[in-house]
Amino acid sequence: GNSVTQMEGPVTLSEEAFLTINCTYTATGYPSLFWYVQYPGEGLQLLLKATKADDKGSNKGFEATYRKETTSFHLEKGSVQVSDSAVYFCALSNEGGSEKLVFGKGTKLTVNP
Amino acid sequence: GAGVSQSPRYKVAKRGQDVALRCDPISGHVSLFWYQQALGQGPEFLTYFQNEAQLDKSGLPSDRFFAERPEGSVSTLKIQRTQQEDSAVYLCASSLVGTQYFGPGTRLLVL
Repeated sequence: GNSVTQMEGPVTLSEEAFLTINCTYTATGYPSLFWYVQYPGEGLQLLLKATKADDKGSNKGFEATYRKETTSFHLEKGSVQVSDSAVYFCALSNEGGSEKLVFGKGTKLTVNP
Repeated sequence: GAGVSQSPRYKVAKRGQDVALRCDPISGHVSLFWYQQALGQGPEFLTYFQNEAQLDKSGLPSDRFFAERPEGSVSTLKIQRTQQEDSAVYLCASSLVGTQYFGPGTRLLVL
């Protein structure tokens, strides 16, 4: 079946540090890939997505590239801010069908000033 | 409204009670999803509607869980005879094409 594996947290960084959160997936066909973010006390928000191989999703300084050869969708940001502190979820949905999302377990990021 | 809304935001139930959780999707969104998120875990799929039709209920954990969307808009997730293991955040999401937008969730605590 489909699955998503994220690097385990928590991750603690200083402001302006470089961020990488690893995400790999197992899926049949050609899934769409997503990063969602959950800020403290808030609901899940879509951060970025990519729908086909070699696509790069980007938003708010975050980037992730759909790598089919390594089945990965790692999240990166060049310079994190305190306001980036949140839980980040990698997810996939298969082409066609119900488009239901399969999530990783989440990675908690804390950025210190 | 601008986004997906859910009510109640918090619910405490005694074991054995029935509960009903409501989701108001974004107006015009055809697809509606329910997920269950246990503490410290990622959301897990429960069920999916396209308009009023429930097309996938493969994630419902038992026959105590029931969902409906009778007019293709508002949806209700009902849990009968709640158990402690039902304690979780229940998330609703709606989509038009490809991207799901989530509500704030209902946090259910079963004592």
